[in-house]
Amino acid sequence: GQNIDQPTEMTATEGAIVQINCTYQTSGFNGLFWYQQHAGEAPTFLSYNVLDGLEEKGRFSSFLSRSKGYSYLLLKELQMKDSASYLCAVEAAGNKLTFGGGTRVLVKP
Amino acid sequence: ETGVTQSPTHLIKTRGQQVTLRCSSQSGHNTVSWYQQALGQGPQFIFQYYREEENGRGNFPPRFSGLQFPNYSSELNVNALELDDSALYLCASSFDGQGYGYTFGSGTRLTVV
Repeated sequence: GQNIDQPTEMTATEGAIVQINCTYQTSGFNGLFWYQQHAGEAPTFLSYNVLDGLEEKGRFSSFLSRSKGYSYLLLKELQMKDSASYLCAVEAAGNKLTFGGGTRVLVKP
Repeated sequence: ETGVTQSPTHLIKTRGQQVTLRCSSQSGHNTVSWYQQALGQGPQFIFQYYREEENGRGNFPPRFSGLQFPNYSSELNVNALELDDSALYLCASSFDGQGYGYTFGSGTRLTVV
């Protein structure tokens, strides 16, 4: 079966750093995605990890450990506009995405 | 290149009715996937079409069906609507099913009353 777990909600202060963890157990693994989704809008692509290690892109970084079935998304220098849901998704067999439940991040001034 | 567009943006239907949702894929994309996202949850995979053929299906009953047309636009049809079908329906297009190239539409918010 497919199981992807991430925290439901996190709160952080503007300018701070937040780390969103994602653990997964899936049959097959092609890659792991992180998406940002504002309320009522489409998910927008943030990062894609295929190999173990850290991928950095501006204020956002994503880490993957395939042996541990673990990933995290790191958001630095938080801004109010970063308040959104963050979705972890695994691409497995047949290029289908299996999503976690999403982590709602609330950035406070 | 206009991205992925979905119509309508919002829809209210009565339990037992049928509904058709539409998706226009990004130019050059031959694969479309449909997802159901209930409030406060992550998207759940419904099915995927590649070159007009269904090539994968999630854990959804047969009353959820789809079509993909030669111009790669697509439809999601849901028969005998139930209250639990109320959700945001997202389509995502890609080239040859490559997840890296997924582009999501803004979705259709379906409310069943």
